[in-house]
Amino acid sequence: GAGVSQSPSNKVTEKGKDVELRCDPISGHTALYWYRQSLGQGLEFLIYFQGNSAPDKSGLPSDRFSAERTGGSVSTLTIQRTQQEDSAVYLCASSSSGRAWFFGPGTRLTVL
Amino acid sequence: AQSVTQPDIHITVSEGASLELRCNYSYGATPYLFWYVQSPGQGLQLLLKYFSGDTLVQGIKGFEAEFKRSQSSFNLRKPSVHWSDAAEYFCAVIGDAGNMLTFGGGTRLMVKP
Repeated sequence: GAGVSQSPSNKVTEKGKDVELRCDPISGHTALYWYRQSLGQGLEFLIYFQGNSAPDKSGLPSDRFSAERTGGSVSTLTIQRTQQEDSAVYLCASSSSGRAWFFGPGTRLTVL
Repeated sequence: AQSVTQPDIHITVSEGASLELRCNYSYGATPYLFWYVQSPGQGLQLLLKYFSGDTLVQGIKGFEAEFKRSQSSFNLRKPSVHWSDAAEYFCAVIGDAGNMLTFGGGTRLMVKP
């Protein structure tokens, strides 16, 4: 596709359930990032993938959060045992040069 | 570690008036700086970026920004605001490892008719 896509666009779940959020980066982009945007907050870095290197997980807020990137393309962010404070918009971005980031439209997660 | 501060959480301007959104950064080396705009329900769109060279950078939608090393600032400006400019604006800097964007808290712009 022409841009970064994310699915679902909206996700409502019950507290304690697991959720998976998907990101399709721009074809050929080696770098992929996940950010979280909570209500009234800025953008919080979560995790970064670069090629085949080990991901930078330094931003993940707890061990309930994990992410993988298969075949250097699609990425899935998984949140286990969701809590209400996980409610946020989860943004994915990809980059080829490290000088231009392209963001997807985000997934709005609501934990009831 | 790098950080970005946007001192103004909300700004309201009249349509047709000029606009300046403030951004201050903390970073040891020469920074790579960005401004993004986020309209309601939309993703982030890049307005402009500064890597090196001319300190006055032109972007899309009539926006410009000026890098001032002495003030550690990268303020965004527009000479005449349109109602469609109402959105949230984020300043960002590339981090020490050169691989991660660090964002400011954002400034929400409202435009009065």
